[in-house]
Amino acid sequence: NAGVTQTPKFRVLKTGQSMTLLCAQDMNHEYMYWYRQDPGMGLRLIHYSVGEGTTAKGEVPDGYNVSRLKKQNFLLGLESAAPSQTSVYFCASTEPKTGVLNSPLHFGNGTRLTVT
Amino acid sequence: QKEVEQDPGPLSVPEGAIVSLNCTYSNSAFQYFMWYRQYSRKGPELLMYTYSSGNKEDGRFTAQVDKSSKYISLFIRDSQPSDSATYLCAMSAPGGSNYQLIWGAGTKLIIKP
Repeated sequence: NAGVTQTPKFRVLKTGQSMTLLCAQDMNHEYMYWYRQDPGMGLRLIHYSVGEGTTAKGEVPDGYNVSRLKKQNFLLGLESAAPSQTSVYFCASTEPKTGVLNSPLHFGNGTRLTVT
Repeated sequence: QKEVEQDPGPLSVPEGAIVSLNCTYSNSAFQYFMWYRQYSRKGPELLMYTYSSGNKEDGRFTAQVDKSSKYISLFIRDSQPSDSATYLCAMSAPGGSNYQLIWGAGTKLIIKP
C-alpha cells in the first residue's frame, strides 16, 4: 500500500518550458488536492478535485492546469514555467467524509521544482 | 495580515525538554484546529486535532486551544530527537472542507541529543 505517490521527485525547468506532475493514490479516495509550499508561506492550495472528471480552483490557480481523468490520478500541468513557480509541490487525497476532522489529508512526499 | 501566524523558528531545544509550539489566528469563526508534522523532504502527516476550546492529550503530545485569545498550542513532553520536524497548524470554520483549510507557515523544531 503505497498511499500517495508523486512523480517526479525533482525537476529543473527553464523559463517557458512545460511539464506535468503526476499524483497517484491507491486508497480509493474521492478527493485530491495540489498544494505548493514556499518558505514562510505555508501550504497554498492550487487546485482540487472532488471526483473523477471534476476540478476546481484553489487559492493560487494562475499558471497551472489540472486534470482528473481517472479516480486514482490527479495531474498538475505548467504550460509555460516561470521562476515564481519554483516551489515544492505536494499532492494529497482524502475520503469524501464531511468535515475536516473526519477526513485527514494524506500527502505524498513532494516534487521539488526549480525554474531558472 | 495573515489569517494564521506561526513563528518559523527554528526552535532548538535539548532532548527531554518540554516544547511549546504556537499559532495565532484572526478569524473567530475557526473551531477546528489541526497539527500536522512534516519531516524533512516528506509530506505532512496529521498529528492531532481539536475541536473548539480545551485540551487534548495523546501520549507525549497535548493540543490546547484558547479561543478567547485566538491562540493554539502544541506541547511536547520529554522531547526526543525523532520529534525534530516542522510542525504546521491548520484550521477551519465549522462545516469547512479540507480545501478550505487555512495553514500556518510551520515551525521548524530541532531536538538536540
